Amino acid sequence: AQSVAQPEDQVNVAEGNPLTVKCTYSVSGNPYLFWYVQYPNRGLQFLLKYITGDNLVKGSYGFEAEFNKSQTSFHLKKPSALVSDSALYFCAVRDGGSQGNLIFGKGTKLSVKP
Amino acid sequence: DARVTQTPRHKVTEMGQEVTMRCQPILGHNTVFWYRQTMMQGLELLAYFRNRAPLDDSGMPKDRFSAEMPDATLATLKIQPSEPRDSAVYFCASGSGIPLYNEQFFGPGTRLTVL
Repeated sequence: AQSVAQPEDQVNVAEGNPLTVKCTYSVSGNPYLFWYVQYPNRGLQFLLKYITGDNLVKGSYGFEAEFNKSQTSFHLKKPSALVSDSALYFCAVRDGGSQGNLIFGKGTKLSVKP
Repeated sequence: DARVTQTPRHKVTEMGQEVTMRCQPILGHNTVFWYRQTMMQGLELLAYFRNRAPLDDSGMPKDRFSAEMPDATLATLKIQPSEPRDSAVYFCASGSGIPLYNEQFFGPGTRLTVL
């Protein structure tokens, strides 16, 4: 069975500092990994994905994520946080052997203070 | 700017009433998903359609929920009868191409309150 874990309910960062939002996964086949962001009262928006290839994936709004197969992790990162990055972030995984369903983590609330 | 649209955006109803939520996927997308979001459970997949055919509705309470795609431009999620525990935000998402590789595009959601 596939699963994804986001160990932190909330991450607090000062504006201008680097941020990391953690995600670990478990799949039986090849992992296909995604990050989404949700702003208040909005639907989820796609940020970036890892399918294959380079372990460092770049996405929207200056975000990037690093795929680490040995640690089964896919942490989201940004070198310099903005107050406008404050939102709920979801990691999601698809199992290569599945129908294509996305399994979402519980979400991590990112709070960036000025 | 192509978007997934959902109606209504907000719905307040009384227990026992029928609720119908509608979704218009992005034109050309062949996969449609229904999710439910609550504080306690997070995001749960309710149903999944590809080319209008239901592929997975194992997350949906069958006795009261039903999901259909009457045509390629409309997906519906019905709850009959509704219960207070159904109160949640319901999202529709659509996608195209190979579902394994491609992202989903989410609508703004329908916030349902069952009194």
